Amino acid sequence: AQSVTQLDSQVPVFEEAPVELRCNYSSSVSVYLFWYVQYPNQGLQLLLKYLSGSTLVKGINGFEAEFNKSQTSFHLRKPSVHISDTAEYFCAVRKGSGNTGKLIFGQGTTLQVKP
Amino acid sequence: EAGVAQSPRYKIIEKRQSVAFWCNPISGHATLYWYQQILGQGPKLLIQFQNNGVVDDSQLPKDRFSAERLKGVDSTLKIQPAKLEDSAVYLCASSFIVRRQQNTGELFFGEGSRLTVL
Repeated sequence: AQSVTQLDSQVPVFEEAPVELRCNYSSSVSVYLFWYVQYPNQGLQLLLKYLSGSTLVKGINGFEAEFNKSQTSFHLRKPSVHISDTAEYFCAVRKGSGNTGKLIFGQGTTLQVKP
Repeated sequence: EAGVAQSPRYKIIEKRQSVAFWCNPISGHATLYWYQQILGQGPKLLIQFQNNGVVDDSQLPKDRFSAERLKGVDSTLKIQPAKLEDSAVYLCASSFIVRRQQNTGELFFGEGSRLTVL
């Protein structure tokens, strides 16, 4: 069964520093992986997704993630964070295929960017 | 293009009362999802519709929760009677219907309905 583990519940970082948010998944089949961001009192917004092809995926707001099949990881990175990146970040794996597919989410990582 | 619409944004009720949440997905999206997000946790799928049929409701507490999507467009999620542990944000999401190899898997979320049960 597919599942997702986000290894850090909170990540504090100073503005303009690099950041990595860790995500590991378990799946016995081909995976589709996603990172979503949730700002306070808002819904989830897609940052990036891995479906196939290049293992380095670039998303919005300068974020990128690398799919590592051997380590079953999909860590999210940004070389230089901004105060506005403070939010909750969710890693997700797609379970099922076609029109019956659904997303299974991790517990979330709170990114706190300090001035 | 309009996004996923949800209402109400906030609702406060006493335990044992009932509440209903409404969702209108993005036009043309055949698949609709209701997720429950408890504070400090990731979203958990409650129910998934394909048009007006239920695809997956295995995580829906059917003794108190119900959902419908009668015409295959908008949907209503109801809780009756509510318990304290139902306090959460209820997120509605929708996605494209899959044709051939076009399958992004992406879900588009509404802003959520925050429920507080006292």
